[in-house]
Amino acid sequence: NAGVTQTPKFRVLKTGQSMTLLCAQDMNHEYMYWYRQDPGMGLRLIHYSVGEGTTAKGEVPDGYNVSRLKKQNFLLGLESAAPSQTSVYFCASTTLATGVKYGYTFGSGTRLTVV
Amino acid sequence: GEDVEQSLFLSVREGDSSVINCTYTDSSSTYLYWYKQEPGAGLQLLTYIFSNMDMKQDQRLTVLLNKKDKHLSLRIADTQTGDSAIYFCAPNSGGYQKVTFGTGTKLQVIP
Repeated sequence: NAGVTQTPKFRVLKTGQSMTLLCAQDMNHEYMYWYRQDPGMGLRLIHYSVGEGTTAKGEVPDGYNVSRLKKQNFLLGLESAAPSQTSVYFCASTTLATGVKYGYTFGSGTRLTVV
Repeated sequence: GEDVEQSLFLSVREGDSSVINCTYTDSSSTYLYWYKQEPGAGLQLLTYIFSNMDMKQDQRLTVLLNKKDKHLSLRIADTQTGDSAIYFCAPNSGGYQKVTFGTGTKLQVIP
């Protein structure tokens, strides 16, 4: 019962480098989300997906791309990292099957530093 | 979009009650969550309330909702050091199971 797994947990990038963050869930959830958390700003939605093969923009999508080729995986890509993308990134998932009772299941986060 | 505001910091003594407040702008929110984030971890669901309820109690937790004023509060009775964490208010804000998270309130419990 792994829930939501994020890899890697930590990463340091140089400005202009690219990377992909992986989110994997084993709960057969339809909905998956990528958030970033910055001090004093709470969690802001980057992109989300309502099912395999579909993605949509959230509140702060610029500089990020996503893909959901398989239902269990949601990938977040940074094509050309900038210092403003230094943050903690969280993946979350949920399902309509259980209604509102269980909310979102979150991963443990990826701490990314861009120098 | 929805705006969700919380005070950033709250300090209480162990054994006292804690009250964390939240205001939101979307009057169509039908359910509202409270999440807890411990240091270095992801968020965990604490409790939720439907918009047709005024109050919900769950052991040491009491959630109060004033829908007219769009104000939500979380009361933690007999606060313990293990309650030290960041607490997020999160009303739903549209379709596709979307919620908007508040800025978070860091609760410090003084022994």
